[in-house]
Amino acid sequence: DTAVSQTPKYLVTQMGNDKSIKCEQNLGHDTMYWYKQDSKKFLKIMFSYNNKELIINETVPNRFSPKSPDKAHLNLHINSLELGDSAVYFCASSQDSGGRTDTQYFGPGTRLTVL
Amino acid sequence: GDSVTQMEGPVTLSEEAFLTINCTYTATGYPSLFWYVQYPGEGLQLLLKATKADDKGSNKGFEATYRKETTSFHLEKGSVQVSDSAVYFCALYSSEKLVFGKGTKLTVNP
Repeated sequence: DTAVSQTPKYLVTQMGNDKSIKCEQNLGHDTMYWYKQDSKKFLKIMFSYNNKELIINETVPNRFSPKSPDKAHLNLHINSLELGDSAVYFCASSQDSGGRTDTQYFGPGTRLTVL
Repeated sequence: GDSVTQMEGPVTLSEEAFLTINCTYTATGYPSLFWYVQYPGEGLQLLLKATKADDKGSNKGFEATYRKETTSFHLEKGSVQVSDSAVYFCALYSSEKLVFGKGTKLTVNP
C-alpha cells in the first residue's frame, strides 16, 4: 500500500480555472503538509495541518485553500489558476508537528501545468 | 530566517567515484538536519538525519556529520553507483517546518 498518495499525478488546465489536488496518508500520522516545487527544483512549504487544524500558512495567496476533512486527508484547492502556479505540488505527512526529529514522508507529486 | 545553502549542481561523476555535496546552514539554536533524496519522477524520501552536534547520520553508504563549529552537514559517499543518480536536498527543521536547500542534481555515469 502506498503510504502517501496524491491524485491526480498530472493536471493540465487553462488560466482562470479552479482545480483540486487530493492527498491521503495511511500511516496514521497527525500532521500533513503541502509543498510547491518550482521548475528549478526549489521546494518550499505552503501549509501544514495537525489533526485537521492549520499550523503553518506560508504567505500563500488566498487563491490556495487547503482542506482537511480528517487527519488522513489534506486536499488543496486552487482558484483562478495563474501561469505562475505551474509547478509540482507534493503532499507529505509526519507523526507529529512538534517533533524536530520526525521524518516527513512525501507523496509522488502532482505536476500542474497552467496554459 | 533560518536557511540552508547547498553547492550548486549539477554534479556528474563516474561510477565508483567519491561524492561530496556541501551543505551549510544558518539557524538560531541547534536544529535537526536532514538529507532527502528525490529519484526521477518520485517524491522525496529521507536519506539520513542528525539531531545534535557531532551526530553522524548514515544510510545506503551515504554519511553526513553535524558540525556545529562550521554550521555544516556535508553529504559524502565513498563509491557512487549509477542508481544514486538523483536530486539531493539538505534541510533543517525550524519552527515546525522543514527548510530546504535548492537541491543538487547528481548524475552518475557507468
